[in-house]
Amino acid sequence: GENVEQHPSTLSVQEGDSAVIKCTYSDSASNYFPWYKQELGKGPQLIIDIRSNVGEKKDQRIAVTLNKTAKHFSLHITETQPEDSAVYFCAASRGSSNTGKLIFGQGTTLQVKP
Amino acid sequence: GAVVSQHPSWVICKSGTSVKIECRSLDFQATTMFWYRQFPKQSLMLMATSNEGSKATYEQGVEKDKFLINHASLTLSTLTVTSAHPEDSSFYICSRGHQNYGYTFGSGTRLTVV
Repeated sequence: GENVEQHPSTLSVQEGDSAVIKCTYSDSASNYFPWYKQELGKGPQLIIDIRSNVGEKKDQRIAVTLNKTAKHFSLHITETQPEDSAVYFCAASRGSSNTGKLIFGQGTTLQVKP
Repeated sequence: GAVVSQHPSWVICKSGTSVKIECRSLDFQATTMFWYRQFPKQSLMLMATSNEGSKATYEQGVEKDKFLINHASLTLSTLTVTSAHPEDSSFYICSRGHQNYGYTFGSGTRLTVV
């Protein structure tokens, strides 16, 4: 079945450094790849997403890259700040209308040390 | 942006009783909504896909008679945990997909069965 693998499970960086989280997916029909930030006791919040017709997308300090051939995608956070500390999840789904199943990676706990 | 409202945010119930969780799509009609379960320090696991006007589609290993899903309108899906047991204690999260806004998640419901 569909599977999304996410690494690392924990990541600790110094404030101002960059953080990179990587995911691989198994379903070659996947075409939508969002990243979520989840704070304790809350639902996931979308921070950036990318579709399969795009190789890279950037939004201020956050960027996502997609390699369809290798079936992996990565989240890049530059100039990290303590408020970036949270659990980050990658996910993948297929379909054009976002009504298909969204499969999550295992999550990465990011700690940004001041 | 899209808004998904989930209630209650937390609930404590006695073992053997049933609990209903509501998920409302406040701004867009949603023919499809999703229910996830998240145990502490783990990822979101899809339980079922809720389809307006028809039966829900359950993921493998999820008991449909225990987790009753009703999607009677285009703005409301409910999850009822029947005959709850302590092992059902978890964080339950609903979501809605939209072709323009991606997947939006509710704030989650912390269920504790005592």
